[in-house]
This record gives sequence, C-alpha cells and structure tokens, in this order.
Amino acid sequence: DAGVTQSPTHLIKTRGQQVTLRCSPKSGHDTVSWYQQALGQGPQFIFQYYEEEERQRGNFPDRFSGHQFPNYSSELNVNALLLGDSALYLCASSRINRGGDEKLFFGSGTQLSVL
Amino acid sequence: GDSVTQMEGPVTLSEEAFLTINCTYTATGYPSLFWYVQYPGEGLQLLLKATKADDKGSNKGFEATYRKETTSFHLEKGSVQVSDSAVYFCALRLYGQNFVFGPGTRLSVLP
Repeated sequence: DAGVTQSPTHLIKTRGQQVTLRCSPKSGHDTVSWYQQALGQGPQFIFQYYEEEERQRGNFPDRFSGHQFPNYSSELNVNALLLGDSALYLCASSRINRGGDEKLFFGSGTQLSVL
Repeated sequence: GDSVTQMEGPVTLSEEAFLTINCTYTATGYPSLFWYVQYPGEGLQLLLKATKADDKGSNKGFEATYRKETTSFHLEKGSVQVSDSAVYFCALRLYGQNFVFGPGTRLSVLP
C-alpha cells in the first residue's frame, strides 16, 4: 500500500516564476492538506482540499492556490515566486470521519529553492 | 491565535540517557495534542497523541501526558537510542480545524 507520494522531490526556480507541486494521497484517503516548512521551523498550514474544494486556508497570500482532482490527488501552485518561498512543501492526506479526529499521513515533501 | 511552544534544540544526549522535550500550548478551545517525528529526508510521522486531559499517549517507549492545568504535553523516554535521533514536533488540533505545529526540537543521540 503506497503512502503519500509527492513529486518532484527537489525543484529549483528563479524569482517571478511559477511552480506546480503534486501529491497523491494514501489509498483510501479523501482529504489533502498542504504545509510549508521553512528551514528550522515547524510546518505551517497552507490549505486543505476535500471533495475538490478548498475547505480551510491558512494565512498565505493568493499567490498560493491549489486543486484537487476526482481521484483525490492534488496540486499546489505558487505564482510570482519570492526568495522567501524557498522551503520544504509537505502534503498530508487523511480520511474525513464524523469524529473530526482523522490521522494525518505525510509525504516526504518537495524541496523548493528559489534563486 | 492557537500556538505551540517547544524547548529549543538541539538536544544532545548519550545513548540510554533520559529524554524530556518540553511542549506547552495556547488554544481557544479544547485541543487534541500530538507528537510527530521527522527523520532525515522524510516526512512527519505520528509518534503519539492524546485527546483529553490526563490522557497518556505512548509509542516506541515514548510517553506524553495531556496536562490541561499547565497546558503542557511534555515528551519523555527513559532510555534513548541512536536511532531516536530526529526532529520532534509538538502539535495541537481543535475539532475540525487544521494542525498547528511547534517549531520542532532536534535530538541527537551519541553512541
């Protein structure tokens, strides 16, 4: 059973460019969340997708957008890249339950470097 | 807003030493509390969790007790191993909300 898979593993971009990161959730999971982890810091919540809609959003600008496909996979898009966007981007999947206590499974992340 | 504070690292211990990593939180409601571990080059893995006051989460020799009166969830292990070297994240989650992570504490265990 494959866990959460992310691609690519590493990416180098220049300021002003746009980037798309991809995530396939763990089998049986229907919810995908994206986190940004800057060097030496904890993950910061970007947004969560469920049923192909953005369900929750953290404190990130509109340059960060996403999408969820019918097969539950997801993309994170970042426009007009800034140097400060350099970070490890983590995807986490879960399965919604009535208790609201779903368990997160994380991928290994995409390391984005903006030069 | 909701937040998690952890003791600063890095923490360096000898093998078989006792480990404590402090974690305190601020939350507007009654959160569930978690410890996640991140090994080099990997994503985060759930280590243990507790959902209500006085609950003790445990896994792989690690323990943490949900202390509502002190808003704390300190991680402990009686005898660490070299393989425990990793970054440890304390996190909280309110019902139906996203996870809020602390800054992480890097642990290095020397043989």
